[in-house]
Amino acid sequence: AQKVTQVQTEISVVEKEDVTLDCVYETRDTTYYLFWYKQPPSGELVFLIRRNSFDEQNEISGRYSWNFQKSTSSFNFTITASQVVDSAVYFCALSDYGGATNKLIFGTGTLLAVQP
Amino acid sequence: DAGVTQSPTHLIKTRGQQVTLRCSPKSGHDTVSWYQQALGQGPQFIFQYYEEEERQRGNFPDRFSGHQFPNYSSELNVNALLLGDSALYLCASSLGAGGISYEQYFGPGTRLTVT
Repeated sequence: AQKVTQVQTEISVVEKEDVTLDCVYETRDTTYYLFWYKQPPSGELVFLIRRNSFDEQNEISGRYSWNFQKSTSSFNFTITASQVVDSAVYFCALSDYGGATNKLIFGTGTLLAVQP
Repeated sequence: DAGVTQSPTHLIKTRGQQVTLRCSPKSGHDTVSWYQQALGQGPQFIFQYYEEEERQRGNFPDRFSGHQFPNYSSELNVNALLLGDSALYLCASSLGAGGISYEQYFGPGTRLTVT
């Protein structure tokens, strides 16, 4: 069965600190997709990144970076120099490849609080 | 370019009643998925509609049903409401139903409270 685990329920940092959100996944599929979404207090899930299992290259987008390690089934997300606007719940999600649908399996989320 | 829209924003219902939630996908998208997000939890997949058919269903009872219209908009119906149905209901749209897993774009959600 597919499963996503985000062990950090809440993280609190002070502005400008770096912070890493951990994500571990389980799947029997050899090909799959991994995602990160941000959910601000407004409730709308905002897409951040999609990675497929073929590509283990790390990715950087501004202050955001993602570390994908297939050997440890992890897809961690780092925010460099955090800002108050980064405060939100962050979800890691898994989707199969080539299946009937592209349904997402979400973790339970990590609440990030960035203090000024 | 309009994103995913959902209506209503908030809804309060009584146990046993029925509710209909509505979703319009992002322009150019043809697939709509519905998710239920209980407080403090991650979204849970309810079902997905593509070409006006239900393609896959998550672990939800038959009280949850849906429909997709020719213009790709969708409705989620819940009958015989239970207190446990109180949640944020999220609609997501994407292009295509399977194969390459294109990213899903989410709407702002409908907050349903059952009393």
